[in-house]
Amino acid sequence: GNSVTQMEGPVTLSEEAFLTINCTYTATGYPSLFWYVQYPGEGLQLLLKATKADDKGSNKGFEATYRKETTSFHLEKGSVQVSDSAVYFCALSPNNAGNMLTFGGGTRLMVKP
Amino acid sequence: DSGVTQTPKHLITATGQRVTLRCSPRSGDLSVYWYQQSLDQGLQFLIQYYNGEERAKGNILERFSAQQFPDLHSELNLSSLELGDSALYFCASSVDRSSYGYTFGSGTRLTVV
Repeated sequence: GNSVTQMEGPVTLSEEAFLTINCTYTATGYPSLFWYVQYPGEGLQLLLKATKADDKGSNKGFEATYRKETTSFHLEKGSVQVSDSAVYFCALSPNNAGNMLTFGGGTRLMVKP
Repeated sequence: DSGVTQTPKHLITATGQRVTLRCSPRSGDLSVYWYQQSLDQGLQFLIQYYNGEERAKGNILERFSAQQFPDLHSELNLSSLELGDSALYFCASSVDRSSYGYTFGSGTRLTVV
């Protein structure tokens, strides 16, 4: 079956530090990959996506590249801000009938001033 | 505001009771998904409806049921509630069955006492 594995948190960084949150997946075929962000007390928001190998998704300074050879979709940001403190979820959607998302366990990011 | 509306935001009820959670999808979206988020299980897909029909089922207990009405709003019914059903219940919607991600509501926090 499909699965997503994320690095466990919390990840604690100082403002302006470089961020990497690792995500690897197991899936048949060619899934679409996503990063969602959940701020305290809110629902999940789509941060970025990639739908095929070597695609790079980017948004708000965050980037992730779909690496089929390593089945990975690591999230990166060059300089984090306090406002980036949230829980980040990696997810995949198989490109077949239906649109069910399989989520990783989430990684909490805490950015200190 | 994501455009997906969930009510109520908070619900406290006793074991053995029955509750109904409501979701109005974003305008134009035909698919509705229900997810359960708990500390020990993470984000678990429960069920998907597409234009009034059940499309996919995940880890949904027999005590739980859902439906999507002609106006596309959806309700998740939880019965014979147990302490372990305490969780955040999210609804999400998408335009169709393509893999472009969902829009999530802000969730209903259910506490069973």
